Amino acid sequence: DIVMTQSPDSLSVSLGERATINCKSSQSVLYNSNNKNYLAWYRQKPGQPPKLLIYWASTRESGVPDRFSGSGSGTDFTLTISSLQAEDVAVYYCQQYYSAPPYSFGQGTKLEIK
Amino acid sequence: EVQLVESGGDLVQPGGSLRLSCAASGFTFSNYAMYWVRQAPGKGLEFVSLISSNGGSTYYADSLKGRFTISRDNSKNTLYLQMGNLRPEDMAVYYCARDSPRPGYCSSTSCGIFDYWGQGTLVTVSS
Repeated sequence: DIVMTQSPDSLSVSLGERATINCKSSQSVLYNSNNKNYLAWYRQKPGQPPKLLIYWASTRESGVPDRFSGSGSGTDFTLTISSLQAEDVAVYYCQQYYSAPPYSFGQGTKLEIK
Repeated sequence: EVQLVESGGDLVQPGGSLRLSCAASGFTFSNYAMYWVRQAPGKGLEFVSLISSNGGSTYYADSLKGRFTISRDNSKNTLYLQMGNLRPEDMAVYYCARDSPRPGYCSSTSCGIFDYWGQGTLVTVSS
């Protein structure tokens, strides 16, 4: 099974500043045949279910603010929040859907306001 | 509006059984693969099970095989998870989630993108 590892485990960022979360997969999640990375990002606010933010490593889900962006390829990926807002306090998860189930998640990164 | 509403979570003794339900609305349920994902208290997300749109294909996390059974009733727009021989480590919030199909890029069974989630139902395993 593919193991997803996020860093850091927690992060404190000032309002309006940039937040960066990293995700590394134990093997490549890039399909060479279609050049797509099978990697998604989710946000889970306190007391709520997860919400899909980004898929194909960099495609924002409909309605997701453009301050959220995803990048990376192969085994190394990044979620960036360009200007942190108070409502972005949450735990963020990466997830691979490259291999057949189980689709594995990273351990999560807790984002707080400094 | 897509809605997924889980129910059935309860306090159960170790070794006991429980059936969770997820009522779907706002979309054509029979066209979508569905998942169960769980989250132990204070922990991360863990894939539990997948069922294809017609129910013909199912997958389980290796640690759960033989104890949990996923099923669906497309006539009732409802997803189920039958849980048996429950252990303390099964205690978690159980979420149902919908697959986001991407024809041409994913298998016909599922894609693995979880685009809508329910609010979850809590299963507590304790004596």
